[in-house]
Amino acid sequence: QVQLQESGPGLVKPSETLSLTCTVAGGSISATTYYWGWIRQSPGKGLEWIGSINHSGNTYYNPSLKSRGIISVDTSKSQFSLKLTSVTAADTAVYSCVNIFGVTNFIPVWGKGTTVVVSS
Amino acid sequence: DIQMTQSPSTLSASVGDRVTITCRASQSIGSWLAWYQRKPGGAPKVLIHKATTLATGVPSRFSGSASGTEFTLTISSLQSDDLAEYFCQQYNNFPITFGQGTRLELK
Repeated sequence: QVQLQESGPGLVKPSETLSLTCTVAGGSISATTYYWGWIRQSPGKGLEWIGSINHSGNTYYNPSLKSRGIISVDTSKSQFSLKLTSVTAADTAVYSCVNIFGVTNFIPVWGKGTTVVVSS
Repeated sequence: DIQMTQSPSTLSASVGDRVTITCRASQSIGSWLAWYQRKPGGAPKVLIHKATTLATGVPSRFSGSASGTEFTLTISSLQSDDLAEYFCQQYNNFPITFGQGTRLELK
């Protein structure tokens, strides 16, 4: 059973870059059937899919991010990462990493999530 | 993007009650809908996918149904362990989108 754990700073200044890492355990990050992704939930709002990456390194992002998101994989560390540039207070959210069987599919495995606050 | 309208936002019920939560999609999504349960401090857990398919290990008191663009999650007899947040997700269209969530409380 794949398990996911998010890590990263809990506080980011406006205009800076948010960086988070997800460590994968119990499964191969290189598995061809898996996509790895990020989802967030801002205070008082619903869940928002940020983006996903597959075993080939192909990435898919929510257009709502306006090209601010970058997802990458480090197979040697069994980790994948999210960078979100030019953050504002609207990016304050709980960020969760997920395992998903495709760009559009249900999500069998979630991390518990990590809170990121954007504030000076 | 497809909008998922979930109701109610909060639901108070007693142990043993039959509970129903609804999600309505803004356009057709076929049967490509999943339901999740999230307990405080925990990771979401998929309960149902493809609108009516129970995920592995999920108790049979949970069920899903669909009628057009309206989807329903039913708990046939509420247990105290079911007190949690529930939300739906469509995966017919890119990007995947979610309902706003329903908080299920003990009456």
